[in-house]
Amino acid sequence: GEDVEQSLFLSVREGDSSVINCTYTDSSSTYLYWYKQEPGAGLQLLTYIFSNMDMKQDQRLTVLLNKKDKHLSLRIADTQTGDSAIYFCAETKSYNTDKLIFGTGTRLQVFP
Amino acid sequence: DGGITQSPKYLFRKEGQNVTLSCEQNLNHDAMYWYRQDPGQGLRLIYYSQIVNDFQKGDIAEGYSVSREKKESFPLTVTSAQKNPTAFYLCASTLTGPLRTEAFFGQGTRLTVV
Repeated sequence: GEDVEQSLFLSVREGDSSVINCTYTDSSSTYLYWYKQEPGAGLQLLTYIFSNMDMKQDQRLTVLLNKKDKHLSLRIADTQTGDSAIYFCAETKSYNTDKLIFGTGTRLQVFP
Repeated sequence: DGGITQSPKYLFRKEGQNVTLSCEQNLNHDAMYWYRQDPGQGLRLIYYSQIVNDFQKGDIAEGYSVSREKKESFPLTVTSAQKNPTAFYLCASTLTGPLRTEAFFGQGTRLTVV
């Protein structure tokens, strides 16, 4: 199967950490991505992780990958109002993959 | 500047009409993709192409058609056979092979049937 699932909504207070979760079913996934979409716009890559990694940190972003449970998370430290957007996780199987499979997206709302 | 461009940003279609959405990239990417986005459903793959003159159906290809005559261009036609075409359409492109990392997206076309 190729399902990628996320919770639909997350609401956090400005300055707190946000954790967005994603589960996937295909154990042959090789790349896993997090994309951000602002209203009425395309998707912007935030970060990605290879399947042979457990963690990747990039400034305020931390990606954790649990291959055993097929679980991916994105932690945003010190969440700001500008982080309000829809966040998509995505997976792809191989270098020459035919598809990039997206999750349903999580709408993050940051309130003051 | 390199990038991927979709046009138009907004498109209105009468029922029974075919419309074509444009997607152009100057990133020298081999692979191009069309996705449809509906509220609460994420992105669903319509068609994709890994090389010029070749393309494959995605998960929801019915009622759509594409062509890939040039590496830079991957237009999507929404035909009258598509029963519920109102949606936000996103085009993307990627490298293929070991250099592949991220997909680059256009800004999207919002299609409304009137």
